[in-house]
Amino acid sequence: GAVVSQHPSRVICKSGTSVKIECRSLDFQATTMFWYRQFPKQSLMLMATSNEGSKATYEQGVEKDKFLINHASLTLSTLTVTSAHPEDSSFYICSARRAGGINEQFFGPGTRLTVL
Amino acid sequence: GQNIDQPTEMTATEGAIVQINCTYQTSGFNGLFWYQQHAGEAPTFLSYNVLDGLEEKGRFSSFLSRSKGYSYLLLKELQMKDSASYLCAVLDSNYQLIWGAGTKLIIKP
Repeated sequence: GAVVSQHPSRVICKSGTSVKIECRSLDFQATTMFWYRQFPKQSLMLMATSNEGSKATYEQGVEKDKFLINHASLTLSTLTVTSAHPEDSSFYICSARRAGGINEQFFGPGTRLTVL
Repeated sequence: GQNIDQPTEMTATEGAIVQINCTYQTSGFNGLFWYQQHAGEAPTFLSYNVLDGLEEKGRFSSFLSRSKGYSYLLLKELQMKDSASYLCAVLDSNYQLIWGAGTKLIIKP
């Protein structure tokens, strides 16, 4: 149990376009979902925390108008990178925390975004 | 501020034992996690400690001392597939996960 899927796994886009990444908890209800970014050879950087039905909480330095998060249900959260630029190229990973657990986060497989 | 320290890189030999240390200073403590992350992949959950002592799970064990703000992950009978980064993370008083930078473990034949 506790499987998280992420789609797409890879995306290449032109500068200025928007990209949407979906994160789904497949076999449990996720009270909270997290979005991370990871640059090569660096650790995970938390971008935002989202709870179903409420606005996401963004970490300092993360532009909420650029990285739009929608947590529409207990099993789905989306991250939209608007007007993407080459410096947004990174590995984006979502995770989900389920109700009643030990607060561990279950990670999706990640999305590698390349902006040309 | 909140801080998690772990070595940047370690090297060990196949079949041997390695201990990866993690020290932390956080605002509150609600548990410590170890995750494994292979290159280009997302992290996978390894262990969770909230009480002092050793938790054993197969070849992997994790130890916690809350008074010392210290944990270690012990890997026995190392295999080449254990080459990965190992991330230490602490759940603080707000139930926010504070991540260490990770320890890259290199296994040599």
